[in-house]
Amino acid sequence: DVVLTQSPLSLPVTLGQPASISCRSSQSLVNSNGNTYLKWFQQRPGQSPRRLIYRVSNRDSGVPDRFSGSGSGTNFTLTISRVEAEDVGVYYCMQGSHFPPWTFGQGTKVEIK
Amino acid sequence: EVQLVESGGGLVQPGGSLRLSCAASGFTFSDHWMSWVRQAPGKGLEWVANINLDGNEKYYVDSVKGRFTISRDNAKNSLYLQMNSLRAEDTAMYYCARDDWGPDCWGQGTLVTVSS
Repeated sequence: DVVLTQSPLSLPVTLGQPASISCRSSQSLVNSNGNTYLKWFQQRPGQSPRRLIYRVSNRDSGVPDRFSGSGSGTNFTLTISRVEAEDVGVYYCMQGSHFPPWTFGQGTKVEIK
Repeated sequence: EVQLVESGGGLVQPGGSLRLSCAASGFTFSDHWMSWVRQAPGKGLEWVANINLDGNEKYYVDSVKGRFTISRDNAKNSLYLQMNSLRAEDTAMYYCARDDWGPDCWGQGTLVTVSS
């Protein structure tokens, strides 16, 4: 199974400042069809997860442009350019390139300092 | 608007059974693979099972193989998860999700608690 390792696991940030979360994979996430199926999800307190980013860097409809995804191969990053109060929650990366199973990172908790 | 509404969770004793349901609307259900994903209290996300368009292809995480069965009824726009031989470690919020090379849209979840 593909193991995804996120860092840091806890991220205290100041409002208006940038934040970055790393997601490293135990093997390349390039699928046999040439695509890389790496997603990012946000889970606000008490809510179900919401997809933010798909295929490494594509933002979902309605996701603010302060969220961006980057990376390739085994190393990926979610960046929030200027953190807002509504960004508090847990962020998960997930791979869909090698199935079964789909696998998730451990989650990174973003909180305001 | 895509809507996924889970039901069927509750308290069950170890060794017992439960059947979860998910009612889908706002998209063409029969055009999408579907998944169940769970989250133990205070823990991360774990994919449990998924099913292909017509229900004849199913995959499971190792820990539930032989105990859980995923199924769907495209005429009713519904997804199901039959859970047998439940264990304490199956206690979690269970989410129904539409698949697109992994989950994209999620329901609000239904809580399953396995305890005596």
